[in-house]
Amino acid sequence: AQSVAQPEDQVNVAEGNPLTVKCTYSVSGNPYLFWYVQYPNRGLQFLLKYITGDNLVKGSYGFEAEFNKSQTSFHLKKPSALVSDSALYFCAAGGATNKLIFGTGTLLAVQP
Amino acid sequence: DTEVTQTPKHLVMGMTNKKSLKCEQHMGHRAMYWYKQKAKKPPELMFVYSYEKLSINESVPSRFSPECPNSSLLNLHLHALQPEDSALYLCASSQVVGDSPLGANVLTFGAGSRLTVL
Repeated sequence: AQSVAQPEDQVNVAEGNPLTVKCTYSVSGNPYLFWYVQYPNRGLQFLLKYITGDNLVKGSYGFEAEFNKSQTSFHLKKPSALVSDSALYFCAAGGATNKLIFGTGTLLAVQP
Repeated sequence: DTEVTQTPKHLVMGMTNKKSLKCEQHMGHRAMYWYKQKAKKPPELMFVYSYEKLSINESVPSRFSPECPNSSLLNLHLHALQPEDSALYLCASSQVVGDSPLGANVLTFGAGSRLTVL
């Protein structure tokens, strides 16, 4: 069965510090991996995706993610966090099916 | 136009009412989706339309009835809902690329319709 795990319900980081939001996946076939962000009372916004190619994927708003096939991970990173980055982050994976599987979400809180 | 527009933004309805949620996109996307989201939880897939045909129904109760009248519009008809159906209902769209699975495509989400069932 396909699954996506986000082991941390919440990540706290000080503004200016680097941030990491963790994600591991289990899908059949080649994985298609995504990160989405959701601000309060809004829909989800696409940040970045990995389909194939370079393991380091760069996305919107200075975010990047590293695909690690051996660890089946796709962690989201940013070198310097902003207070405005505070939001709910979802990792998602698609495989051989037509369904996108979402992780449980990680609330990122950036303190000024 | 790179938006998915959902109306209404807020809806309060009684358990005997009939109402509809509407979704519109003009990006030429041929796949459209309905998701249900409870607070601070991931979106749960309800329905997928591909080329205006229903391709996935995630065993959703019949009190939710989807409709895709054309390639730009997606409706969700609501009837005899229960209080536990109160949630944010998200519409999304994506391209359909050859034989690639829909799960390989980026979803563009609307802002959602917040439904409260009394």
